Amino acid sequence: QKEVEQNSGPLSVPEGAIASLNCTYSDRVSQSFFWYRQYSGKSPELIMSIYSNGDKEDGRFTAQLNKASQYVSLLIRDSQPSDSATYLCAVSGAMDSNYQLIWGAGTKLIIKP
Amino acid sequence: DTEVTQTPKHLVMGMTNKKSLKCEQHMGHRAMYWYKQKAKKPPELMFVYSYEKLSINESVPSRFSPECPNSSLLNLHLHALQPEDSALYLCASSQGEGRLPQHFGDGTRLSIL
Repeated sequence: QKEVEQNSGPLSVPEGAIASLNCTYSDRVSQSFFWYRQYSGKSPELIMSIYSNGDKEDGRFTAQLNKASQYVSLLIRDSQPSDSATYLCAVSGAMDSNYQLIWGAGTKLIIKP
Repeated sequence: DTEVTQTPKHLVMGMTNKKSLKCEQHMGHRAMYWYKQKAKKPPELMFVYSYEKLSINESVPSRFSPECPNSSLLNLHLHALQPEDSALYLCASSQGEGRLPQHFGDGTRLSIL
């Protein structure tokens, strides 16, 4: 069974520090990787997508993908209290699954002032 | 503000009622999705429409009936729901089915009495 795993947390990080969120996936042929942020009671918001090995930076966010090790991570620099949320990792499956997203359970991040 | 609009934001209904959830997007996306999300869980895929045709039905009970009147609109008709159907119902869209990121609406919070 294809799986995406995340540490449920909570992960507590002091304000201004780097928050590091990790995700591993089981399907070696996965092609697309996404990080969503979800505030309590709200809908998921896409914050990063990554498709090839290496780093992708967008403002304070950096996504890192290592297909050989089957993990994807999200770094948040200069963490702010407003970054406190649940971060969901989603991985697009292979063609035989119509590329549907497989979701991790989410990591709850708490930024302490 | 999201570019996927869902109405209503909140819905309370009895088990014998019939109601509909609505979703609209004007991004020219050709794939639209319905998800169900329970508290502290990731989104759970219900239906996928691709080019206005139902492409995936994840074994959803028949008391949920999707409809895609055109490329911008997606409805979810509800009838004879059970208390366990209370959840956040999310609509999402993407440029096409497959590897591309999905963008979510704000969701409809559904409570079944």
